[in-house]
Amino acid sequence: NAGVTQTPKFQVLKTGQSMTLQCAQDMNHNSMYWYRQDPGMGLRLIYYSASEGTTDKGEVPNGYNVSRLNKREFSLRLESAAPSQTSVYFCASNRDPSGELFFGEGSRLTVL
Amino acid sequence: QKEVEQDPGPLSVPEGAIVSLNCTYSNSAFQYFMWYRQYSRKGPELLMYTYSSGNKEDGRFTAQVDKSSKYISLFIRDSQPSDSATYLCAFFNFGNEKLTFGTGTRLTIIP
Repeated sequence: NAGVTQTPKFQVLKTGQSMTLQCAQDMNHNSMYWYRQDPGMGLRLIYYSASEGTTDKGEVPNGYNVSRLNKREFSLRLESAAPSQTSVYFCASNRDPSGELFFGEGSRLTVL
Repeated sequence: QKEVEQDPGPLSVPEGAIVSLNCTYSNSAFQYFMWYRQYSRKGPELLMYTYSSGNKEDGRFTAQVDKSSKYISLFIRDSQPSDSATYLCAFFNFGNEKLTFGTGTRLTIIP
């Protein structure tokens, strides 16, 4: 049982480049989330999707877009990467809104 | 004032010691109180949760909530090197369905 799978695990970008982080879950969960984790800042919610076909902004959405492709997949896109987006990105899911989230292993992104 | 305050550490203790990790919060609407554990280069995983004041035990772990003081704690008894990780407190508000994390405390258990 894979749980939540994120790709890629590591990525280095130059300022202005674009990229998409992919996330898939095999637990038949309704809700999916994208967080970023920075030293001293903790986990901050970027976007979430309460169900297939819906997406909503979180705490720090600027510079990001998301797509809930189907129930399993939720992607995060950086259209024009900036050094401030250097971070570790986590995808998470749960069956319904609650505090119990299941996280992927993270994607480490460096923007030069 | 931040909604959640958590001492970032780092905290180093010898194997076998009792560890106390703490968070304070200011939002009275928080209804679920959780602790996540995050190993290095991994995603967080839910360790324990509770929704009432008092203690909840799970093996060597005890979660304690004091709603009147807006203070939660996680105690680890007989600490093991495998307990070395970052521990994040988290709070869920059913009203707006929002989960708020602390910044995490980095714990190292020294063999």
